[in-house]
Parts: sequence; C-alpha cells; structure tokens
Amino acid sequence: AQTIHQWPVAEIKAVGSPLSLGCTIKGKSSPNLYWYWQATGGTLQQLFYSITVGQVESVVQLNLSASRPKDDQFILSTEKLLLSHSGFYLCAWSQGLNTEVFFGKGTRLTVV
Amino acid sequence: DAKTTQPDSMESTEGETVHLPCSHATISGNEYIYWYRQVPLQGPEYVTHGLQQNTTNSMAFLAIASDRKSSTLILPHVSLRDAAVYHCILRVDGGNNKLTFGQGTVLSVIP
Repeated sequence: AQTIHQWPVAEIKAVGSPLSLGCTIKGKSSPNLYWYWQATGGTLQQLFYSITVGQVESVVQLNLSASRPKDDQFILSTEKLLLSHSGFYLCAWSQGLNTEVFFGKGTRLTVV
Repeated sequence: DAKTTQPDSMESTEGETVHLPCSHATISGNEYIYWYRQVPLQGPEYVTHGLQQNTTNSMAFLAIASDRKSSTLILPHVSLRDAAVYHCILRVDGGNNKLTFGQGTVLSVIP
C-alpha cells in the first residue's frame, strides 16, 4: 500500500528565516506529486505539481519554490519567510494526471 | 473550471442516510465530479468521483443528474466519524490535475 509522509508535523518560524518542508511517497513508482496550501480560514489551493524527477511546475506565486530531487521526494522551500506564509501545507500524489489525488497529513506552519 | 454550489452546512443524526447536494450548472463535458472530505488539521480524504453514470464504493453513492448540472453524495448510515467538510469539485480531464476547493458543506452528526 502507498504511504505518504510529511515532515515536520508543525513548525514555528521567524519572519525572514528559511523554510524547508518535505514529503516522501512510498510504495508507488513515478507518482505525480503536488503541494497545496491552506491559509487559516481559507481554501486549499495548489501551489506546485511535478510529473517526474527534476521537473516542477509552479501554479501560484507565493515566493516559494519546490524541487523533486528523487522520484519519491518533494521539497517545498523558501529563503525568507513572510507572515503570509503561515498556514497548512499539504503534499499529495496521484498515479496519473487524470486520477484521484491522495493527500498527506500536512504541516502546520506558523510564521511569527 | 466550472463553479460548484453547495449548502454551507447540514446536520444529521447517527444512523441516518445523508444526501449532500451540489449544483454545477455550467459543467463542461470533460469535467469530472469529485468529492473529498476534510476534518480539521488533516488533509482531504478522497470519497468518490464520477463523470456521467452514478457510482458507488464502500464510502458513498454518487448520484449524477442526467443533464450533469447537479449531483448528490449519499452517505448511508452516518456515524460520528463522518462529520467533516464535504467538498464537491469539478476537475478537467487533462492539465495539472488541479483540484479547486471551495468552502464545502459542513456536515454535523448528532449522536
């Protein structure tokens, strides 16, 4: 069975500090991977997607970047956090581009 | 993507069958109807999806109107763990598999 693991579970960071959030998919080769973000009280929106190693497409500009260094790994990062980056970050995967998407448990980020 | 309209909230009692409506009057022929549910502090959970025909799985039954302008998610014998926000989403076949979430319907279940 496929499992999706996100780290860390929660993080409190200072404005201007760097950030790195990780996601690993096990039990599935060549998955499509996604990053979603939900501001407190807001709706979920897709930030990035990747269909293969080394290839990442940006959907929404939030001064964040994403990378896919391995087939089963997806990283979300920024060099300088803003207060507006606070929220709930979710990694997700699908088998193809036209199939159901499965979400991880998320990382709660608070920027102070 | 076309827009969906759902009631803000619904309430049910444990053991009842719940009908969650979704209106999508401007749906395109290549848009699938997806349902997800989400509880606080967790990622959305896939429930079901369909294109034209009604579908059923272990979680729910999805009834799609013949003109596809509305659908209803039917949850049989709800329990407390079915309390969640239910999202009805239209996804275009192809593209980046983007799911556009709205506010959804908050389903409350009373013991």
